Amino acid sequence: EADIYQTPRYLVIGTGKKITLECSQTMGHDKMYWYQQDPGMELHLIHYSYGVNSTEKGDLSSESTVSRIRTEHFPLTLESARPSHTSQYLCASTPRTSGNNEQFFGPGTRLTVL
Amino acid sequence: GENVEQHPSTLSVQEGDSAVIKCTYSDSASNYFPWYKQELGKGPQLIIDIRSNVGEKKDQRIAVTLNKTAKHFSLHITETQPEDSAVYFCAASIWNKLVFGAGTILRVKS
Repeated sequence: EADIYQTPRYLVIGTGKKITLECSQTMGHDKMYWYQQDPGMELHLIHYSYGVNSTEKGDLSSESTVSRIRTEHFPLTLESARPSHTSQYLCASTPRTSGNNEQFFGPGTRLTVL
Repeated sequence: GENVEQHPSTLSVQEGDSAVIKCTYSDSASNYFPWYKQELGKGPQLIIDIRSNVGEKKDQRIAVTLNKTAKHFSLHITETQPEDSAVYFCAASIWNKLVFGAGTILRVKS
């Protein structure tokens, strides 16, 4: 089981604020992902990275941005939060040695924008 | 792109009965099919997976079957217990990404 951490676990913030959701993993995994999970439960890929200095947009359009300066760290930033950003955000990673695409998830950050 | 459909959206079973969740995928290039269990307040946890060159895989009370021709795969849980109550997601892997089904809420009644 991978060790993958997300902070904060819960965040309530006002409209217009800049926020950064942290994600880190201690397993040296190359691939990392951010998902948005809506109240209907579906998981939507919003960003992914195959390694340091690699970032790609996912299938769901998102106003957030990501960076990958270190292997273990993949933060997500919202420059100006809006109520439509209220959601659960899940981070995941995949080992370099994985011949499949098994992803290990963090506990998530529940974001509420007032 | 790949599309994964999952049924049913909710499933209630009596403790000790079996539960079956079914998924279909659209892209024949998908080659890896994991199943995740998500409990309240937690991230999804990988419980079992199967590659496209295998038809069935079993791990204690859970099993997954894959029919490549029909492009569908299923999760089978036998002798269900209250702690099996959770949301279950299927997924299909294509081009280093996972596409998830919409999820199934499983309730095991004791």
